[in-house]
Amino acid sequence: AQKVTQAQTEISVVEKEDVTLDCVYETRDTTYYLFWYKQPPSGELVFLIRRNSFDEQNEISGRYSWNFQKSTSSFNFTITASQVVDSAVYFCALKEGGTSYGKLTFGQGTILTVHP
Amino acid sequence: GAVVSQHPSRVICKSGTSVKIECRSLDFQATTMFWYRQFPKQSLMLMATSNEGSKATYEQGVEKDKFLINHASLTLSTLTVTSAHPEDSSFYICSFQKVGTEAFFGQGTRLTVV
Repeated sequence: AQKVTQAQTEISVVEKEDVTLDCVYETRDTTYYLFWYKQPPSGELVFLIRRNSFDEQNEISGRYSWNFQKSTSSFNFTITASQVVDSAVYFCALKEGGTSYGKLTFGQGTILTVHP
Repeated sequence: GAVVSQHPSRVICKSGTSVKIECRSLDFQATTMFWYRQFPKQSLMLMATSNEGSKATYEQGVEKDKFLINHASLTLSTLTVTSAHPEDSSFYICSFQKVGTEAFFGQGTRLTVV
């Protein structure tokens, strides 16, 4: 069965520090999708990125970057020069199969607190 | 991105009563919707998958008679928590998906049963 593990329950950093959130996944499928979502205190889930299993290129979007390593089944997320507004719960999620459509399996989430 | 509207955002109800949560997709038609539940400081767990015009498929351990899901149209799905108990207090969140895109989530409903 599929599984997503975010070993870091809580991370606390000071503003401007870089921080990496780890995500390790398990799946028997050769085709799958990985996601990161941000959940601010208001509760809604904000989509950050989607990556399919055939695309191992790392991606950078502003201060955000993602490192996908199939060899270690990891999809880590780095925030560079963190800001207070980055404080939130971050979820990594997995969708098995050839489309990104369908049931998502979420990790436990990492609570990130960025102090001024 | 798509917009999903979920109401109410917060609800407090007495034990034994029923609560209905509504989820609408505002700018696209979705044949499938997912309902998740999130307990404090825990992850989102899928409760059920509903397809427009047919019965919902519930995950193991989720009581279908307690959590009634109605997917009446391509833009509306409702979750009714019947005979609510304090242990049902949780954050409920709906999700619509379009084929080929990521899932779009509602704002969530924080249910407190007293």
